[in-house]
Amino acid sequence: QKEVEQNSGPLSVPEGAIASLNCTYSDRGSQSFFWYRQYSGKSPELIMSIYSNGDKEDGRFTAQLNKASQYVSLLIRDSQPSDSATYLCAVKKSGGYQKVTFGTGTKLQVIP
Amino acid sequence: SAVISQKPSRDICQRGTSLTIQCQVDSQVTMMFWYRQQPGQSLTLIATANQGSEATYESGFVIDKFPISRPNLTFSTLTVSNMSPEDSSIYLCSVQWIITSTDTQYFGPGTRLTVL
Repeated sequence: QKEVEQNSGPLSVPEGAIASLNCTYSDRGSQSFFWYRQYSGKSPELIMSIYSNGDKEDGRFTAQLNKASQYVSLLIRDSQPSDSATYLCAVKKSGGYQKVTFGTGTKLQVIP
Repeated sequence: SAVISQKPSRDICQRGTSLTIQCQVDSQVTMMFWYRQQPGQSLTLIATANQGSEATYESGFVIDKFPISRPNLTFSTLTVSNMSPEDSSIYLCSVQWIITSTDTQYFGPGTRLTVL
């Protein structure tokens, strides 16, 4: 079982729709969760971090965490063509020096 | 966040040679990391660059192949030694501040390496 699993996609959604990106993780000791966006040929860019169960909203983005189910998701409302990118889920155990484990990413395509 | 720069941004190298990649941050950071991202793949951690001591390497990566330096809190280098075409990849520097409740990693722009 992979430490962090994501569906590779591509996930295609029409412009204006809600895109739902999902991630599961295997280590119950994980405490910090991150979503990064990576455009083709560019480096990963942090979108959101989440540490507690529930939802965290930032503009059009909502991260959802369920530690009991070992599941974290990212919702993108009112999807735009500029949201087309690969979204990486990353997970880290507690403690400042624990390494971050990245999923393989989900490619999102927003169709105009 | 900080401004993270990497040099070179890209390079084409011959088999058997070495390339040193530099990572510069505009403020002091606690942690610096080096990742590799092969075409179509996710990020793989090579090592954690420790200031004033030897780097901590992940399984499958060794110091002879990927020597790392970190002379201060704002700068690190990664050398890819005795290169082969399999080393063609994007190499990314990442930094992190150890601050209570925030432990986010930020990435530099990357170095795209092609080995012929």
